[in-house]
Amino acid sequence: GAGVSQTPSNKVTEKGKYVELRCDPISGHTALYWYRQSLGQGPEFLIYFQGTGAADDSGLPNDRFFAVRPEGSVSTLKIQRTERGDSAVYLCASSLTVGEQFFGPGTRLTVL
Amino acid sequence: AQKVTQAQTEISVVEKEDVTLDCVYETRDTTYYLFWYKQPPSGELVFLIRRNSFDEQNEISGRYSWNFQKSTSSFNFTITASQVVDSAVYFCALSHRFHSGGSNYKLTFGKGTLLTVNP
Repeated sequence: GAGVSQTPSNKVTEKGKYVELRCDPISGHTALYWYRQSLGQGPEFLIYFQGTGAADDSGLPNDRFFAVRPEGSVSTLKIQRTERGDSAVYLCASSLTVGEQFFGPGTRLTVL
Repeated sequence: AQKVTQAQTEISVVEKEDVTLDCVYETRDTTYYLFWYKQPPSGELVFLIRRNSFDEQNEISGRYSWNFQKSTSSFNFTITASQVVDSAVYFCALSHRFHSGGSNYKLTFGKGTLLTVNP
C-alpha cells in the first residue's frame, strides 16, 4: 500500500510570501503529525490532528503557522509571511493511535 | 518536560565492527514509549523499534539489538557486524500520552547520531 506522501518535495520561496505544504497520510490512519527538521537537528513537533481537529498545536512557533485537515485525511500546513528562519524540512507522519508513526519524505522549504 | 540526549554526534567504524549508539532520556511520565528511527541519505525516517516503559526486556532483530535500562533512563542500540548500508543518521525518540485526552503520541527526538560505516 501507499505510504505517506508529501508535496511538493522542494519549495523555494521569497521572504514574505505565503506557502502551503500538503500531506497525504496512509489510508485509515486517524492520527496525523507535522514536524520540522532543521539542518543537523532531530525533528521537532509542530501539530497533531486526531481526525479533523487539531488536538495539540503547542509546537507551532507563532501565529504565522497554521494547519488544517478538513476531511480527516489530507492535511495542509500553511505558513504566512515566510521568514528565512522558516527554512527547514517539514515532515508529516501518520499512525494508528499508539502504533509507530510512518513518516513521509518531507518537503524541503527554502526561504530566500 | 521531556528530553532525549544522544551524546554521540558522529561515529565512524569499519565494516564488520560492532557499534553501539547511546540514548538517554528524561521524562516525568510513568507510561511512555521509546523509539529508534533511521534516516538514510535519502532523508525518509524509517521506524526501527518501539519499546513500552513497562517492558524492559532486551530485544534482538537480526543484527540489531536494543538494551533498555529504566534505572539509568537509557535505551541503547547496537548494530552487530556493521555494513556500509547501515550508514545513516539514527534518532532516538520518546513519546508520552498527552494528558488532556485523545491519543497524542507526539515524539520528542534526540539530535541524532551520524553513523558512517566504511568498507
